[in-house]
Amino acid sequence: ETGVTQSPTHLIKTRGQQVTLRCSSQSGHNTVSWYQQALGQGPQFIFQYYREEENGRGNFPPRFSGLQFPNYSSELNVNALELDDSALYLCASSFVGREAFFGQGTRLTVV
Amino acid sequence: KQEVTQIPAALSVPEGENLVLNCSFTDSAIYNLQWFRQDPGKGLTSLLLIQSSQREQTSGRLNASLDKSSGRSTLYIAASQPGDSATYLCAANDMRFGAGTRLTVKP
Repeated sequence: ETGVTQSPTHLIKTRGQQVTLRCSSQSGHNTVSWYQQALGQGPQFIFQYYREEENGRGNFPPRFSGLQFPNYSSELNVNALELDDSALYLCASSFVGREAFFGQGTRLTVV
Repeated sequence: KQEVTQIPAALSVPEGENLVLNCSFTDSAIYNLQWFRQDPGKGLTSLLLIQSSQREQTSGRLNASLDKSSGRSTLYIAASQPGDSATYLCAANDMRFGAGTRLTVKP
């Protein structure tokens, strides 16, 4: 049990729709990172938030956006969903540069 | 841009064997390297974190080493057990992951 919780656990959306995924970070952690993991591949870094500011971004289009709240919980928003967005979405919390702890992920299926 | 590579992609060993998993990274200016375990369809479980000032970390049957000059990290698993079967991933600086090594330990 890492103390990082993600919701929902599973989600089915239609192409073109928008989705919001949520992550509650471990108590005391001020950094949250989001990853996309396709089947059989390693996680791909989407972006990181540190104290409510974006602190790095991977190679993902602007329709992937995020927020971090004052309590350090976070949201990942994806607009105009595409079939290739189907994946496991993972969030991790940490103090920046320290050990990262992951949630169990949200399985998104776009049909 | 940091690139992380893991070799082998898959490994199958009999129970009790000692084994080594490899992780290579291209940018030696890292501040940490972390090893994770992932069971199918699940999130990642942190195994070991090595800060850039350290050369190795140990936890039970696991030992991870870091050589920044050669851009390599290894994860050593002693006396492997069927419960060790999972995908093992390394990540540099919390952001760049390798594709993982899928380990199967046969009883």
